[in-house]
Amino acid sequence: DIQMTQSPASLSASLRETVSIECLASEDIYNNLAWYQQKPGKSPQLLIYYASSLQDGVPSRFSGSGSGTQYSLKIKSLESEDAATYFCLQDSEYPNTFGAGTKLELK
Amino acid sequence: EVQLVESGGGLVQPGRSLKLSCAASGFTFSNYYTAWVRQAPKKGLEWVATISSSGSRTYYPDSVKGRFTISRDNAKSSLYLQMNSLKSEDTATYYCARQTGSFDYWGQGVMVTVSS
Repeated sequence: DIQMTQSPASLSASLRETVSIECLASEDIYNNLAWYQQKPGKSPQLLIYYASSLQDGVPSRFSGSGSGTQYSLKIKSLESEDAATYFCLQDSEYPNTFGAGTKLELK
Repeated sequence: EVQLVESGGGLVQPGRSLKLSCAASGFTFSNYYTAWVRQAPKKGLEWVATISSSGSRTYYPDSVKGRFTISRDNAKSSLYLQMNSLKSEDTATYYCARQTGSFDYWGQGVMVTVSS
């Protein structure tokens, strides 16, 4: 099974700051990497798919990059609504596996 | 608008069975793979099962293989998850999701609690 190591586990940042979250796959996942945002009591929302493609309706301050085994999500100019937990997902092969999550807190 | 609405959750004793349903609307259900993903309380996400658009192929992780069965009825735009031999570690919110590689649309989730 492909293991997804996500870092950091938690993050505290200020409004208008830029942050990055990383996911490291245990083997090459050929850009089959998605990022999700989840707020308390809500279902996850797709932000980025295929490593860098922005899902319809997602603000352009979210961006994804990476290749091979290393991927990152960047959030520019943080807004209060960005406080949430973020997960990565590899859908390169079954079993699909998620990262453990990054809890983003706004100062 | 794509909508996925789960039902059938509840409290069940260890070793018993439960069947979840998911009603889909707003897209041509029969054209898409669909899946179940779960989240234990205060924990991360775990993929549980996927079924192909026709229903001919199914995929499971080892943690549920042999106990859970995913199925679909394209005429009713519905997805199902039959869960047998339930364990306490199956306690979670279960989401149905449309799968296009990644899971692009999710339902609101249904809670399953396995406890005596």
